[in-house]
Order: sequence, then C-alpha cells, then structure tokens
Amino acid sequence: AQTVTQSQPEMSVQEAETVTLSCTYDTSESDYYLFWYKQPPSRQMILVIRQEAYKQQNATENRFSVNFQKAAKSFSLKISDSQLGDAAMYFCAYRRSKRGAQKLVFGQGTRLTINP
Amino acid sequence: DTEVTQTPKHLVMGMTNKKSLKCEQHMGHRAMYWYKQKAKKPPELMFVYSYEKLSINESVPSRFSPECPNSSLLNLHLHALQPEDSALYLCASSQVFFQNEQFFGPGTRLTVL
Repeated sequence: AQTVTQSQPEMSVQEAETVTLSCTYDTSESDYYLFWYKQPPSRQMILVIRQEAYKQQNATENRFSVNFQKAAKSFSLKISDSQLGDAAMYFCAYRRSKRGAQKLVFGQGTRLTINP
Repeated sequence: DTEVTQTPKHLVMGMTNKKSLKCEQHMGHRAMYWYKQKAKKPPELMFVYSYEKLSINESVPSRFSPECPNSSLLNLHLHALQPEDSALYLCASSQVFFQNEQFFGPGTRLTVL
C-alpha cells in the first residue's frame, strides 16, 4: 500500500519570506501523480500544484514550486514571497497512474502560519 | 463552471433521523468521490463513482448509502448514524482519464447528536 508522510505538523514563516514544506512517500510503482492541496479555514480543498512522476522537470505555479526527487521519494513544496492568504493546512497527496478513477492518499498535513 | 457545490453547508441530525447530502458539478466530470474528514486529519475516501457506477467502496458501514442519479449529481444518504460519524463530508469530481485532478466542494459539516 502507498503511504504519504508529512513530518512537519506545523510551520510558520514571516510574510514575504520563503518556506518549504516536506513530503515523503512510499510506493512500489514507477508511474504515479503527486499533488499539493491547500485547505484554508474556509474548509475547501484547493489544488496548488501537481507533478507527474515520469516528468523530471519540477512543476511550478507562480509562487509555488516543487522539488521532486523520485529516487528519494521526496516531494517538497516551496512557497516564495509568502502572503497572508497562504495560511492554511497543506496536504501532500499521491495517486496511482492506473487508468480510471483512483483514490488520493493524503499525508497528515502541515499547518502553515504566516506572520505579518 | 469550475465549481463543485455541496448542500447543506451544515447539518445536525439525531441518531434515528434520515438525511441526505447533495453534491453537484457541471464540469463534465465522470468520476465523483465522497470523502470523510475528521478535525485536524486528512480526508479519507469513502466511495468513488465512475460513469455513474460505484467503482470503489472503502468498506464504509451500510448506514451510509451513496447514489449517483446522473453524471452531475452525487448524493449520500444517511440513516441511523452514530455520534462518531460527525465530521466534514467532502465531495470531489474529476475526469476519469487524463487531467485527473480532483476538484473539491466546500463540504458539509455534519453533527450527529
């Protein structure tokens, strides 16, 4: 079974600074997808960024980028120029690449606080 | 329309009540999901529908009964729930093949008395 581990229950960063959230996963499969989701106090899960395992290039979305290390099974999220609106619970998630609807396996989450 | 809607936002019910949660999307997605999320925990998958057919049931108790009447709608019927079933219930949808990001609704906060 696949597992996802987020070792940082809480993180804090000063506004405008950079912060990196860690995620490791365990799988025996060679092809899969990885995601970072954000869940603010409003509760809605919002997709931040995705990475296909077969792609060597790290995904980026504006101020959000990932460091994907396939051999190490590591998938960290870097948030640059942190903003107050980035405060949320961040979940790392894994999905098999098997065709068809597949479940997301989530890590335990990291609560990110932005200090003004 | 890139939105998944869920009603109601909040629901309080007794253990003998029957209630339903509703989820709707108009993105043309043919896969829909129900997740249960307890406080300060990640979402846990309950059910997956693919092309309006139940494809995954994560051994959920029968007091939870899902229904997918059409490609845009997903219901979760609740009956004889227990207080430990109190949680945030999230609905999500995705394409079945390719661009398979799951889009989540805002959730229904359920309290069982």
